[in-house]
Order: sequence, then structure tokens, then C-alpha cells
Amino acid sequence: DGGITQSPKYLFRKEGQNVTLSCEQNLNHDAMYWYRQDPGQGLRLIYYSQIVNDFQKGDIAEGYSVSREKKESFPLTVTSAQKNPTAFYLCASTATRGAQPQHFGDGTRLSIL
Amino acid sequence: GDSVTQMEGPVTLSEEAFLTINCTYTATGYPSLFWYVQYPGEGLQLLLKATKADDKGSNKGFEATYRKETTSFHLEKGSVQVSDSAVYFCALFYNQGGKLIFGQGTELSVKP
Repeated sequence: DGGITQSPKYLFRKEGQNVTLSCEQNLNHDAMYWYRQDPGQGLRLIYYSQIVNDFQKGDIAEGYSVSREKKESFPLTVTSAQKNPTAFYLCASTATRGAQPQHFGDGTRLSIL
Repeated sequence: GDSVTQMEGPVTLSEEAFLTINCTYTATGYPSLFWYVQYPGEGLQLLLKATKADDKGSNKGFEATYRKETTSFHLEKGSVQVSDSAVYFCALFYNQGGKLIFGQGTELSVKP
């Protein structure tokens, strides 16, 4: 079955450490997205990528970085510059940017040790 | 700017009760409107959508009508089940910009 796989499901970060969240899709989608979800808030866009080797900042990109070296992969790195990284992170994809609906992974919950 | 506002949760109902989750929006253009559902520990799934004024989206017994005059897209279901317990997100979307703008989510808990 086609879909989006996020790993790990739970991740813990120490102070001053960078961590990378994985997102892989086998839907052959061009566009991929990273969202952050905090309790009582909607999803906020961190980064998105319309095509391989290209990505743009979303609304809350500070303290995060991404890469898009392969069509099926869009990893997110939470850097030590992100002072409040505890959240639920969701990856999504669409065939092209602007297409709907976005298909979502099951998320990664990041916590600070 | 564009925004989406949902009624605060949690909403707690008994099984077979009628559900309404309010959603209002502020938009500068003519967006499409969506309801997404998030079950515990999972990502979001599209529940229903409406692309223009007066359109009604429906799926799995849920309905919502795109009301331009009241800038609303309220989610309704006539008889909820325990399995409907989840967080529901209202969102607006512009084809040109390709960006989804989400409300804060409303948690629904249905008791047997």
C-alpha cells in the first residue's frame, strides 16, 4: 500500500543536540511538507518542498533545516537553535504543490530530556 | 490575514447525540474549505471538503456547508458513535498559494 512513513514514533532530544526526523513516501508525490502541532493549536507549516533539490521556508522555519535529495525522502532536522522543540511533527505530501488533499504520516512526537 | 477559528473543546457527547463543531473563517479571497480528522496517535485524514459557496461536503455521516454570508463551515453529524472520538480540524486552502491554514482543532469525546 502507498503511504507516508515517519520514524521514529517517539524521539527524545538532549539540550544542545540536533535530531533528525525521517519522512519517506512511496506515493510518487512531488510536493512534501513538514508541520508542527502543539496542544490546542492547529498545524503550523515549517518547510515545504515542491521538487527534488528545492525547498522553501514555511511560517516557523527558525531552528529547523531540511533536505530533499530524493523524491521520496524529506528529512527534518531540529537544531539546537530551536529552543522549544517539544511538539508533534507531521509530514505530508501531495502530487504537486497546491493539490489536495494532503496525505499525512502518523507523526513523530519529540520531547526534551 | 486569513485565519480559521473553531469552537473550543473538548466536546463530550453521549453516543447517538447530535454533533455540531463550529468553524468560522476570515479570507481575503475564495478558498476551499476542509475538515480533517485526527485519531489518537495518528496523522490527519481528510474527512470532507467544499470548494465554493453553498457547496455541501459529506462523508461517513458528517456534513458541512460552505456559507459565504456567515463565513462558516460548521461540521455536523446526526448520531455520533464512540469511534468518532478524535480531534477535528477545519482548514482553508487557496489553489494558487497551495497553503493550508488550520484552525486550532476541536477534541470530540463520545461516551457509550
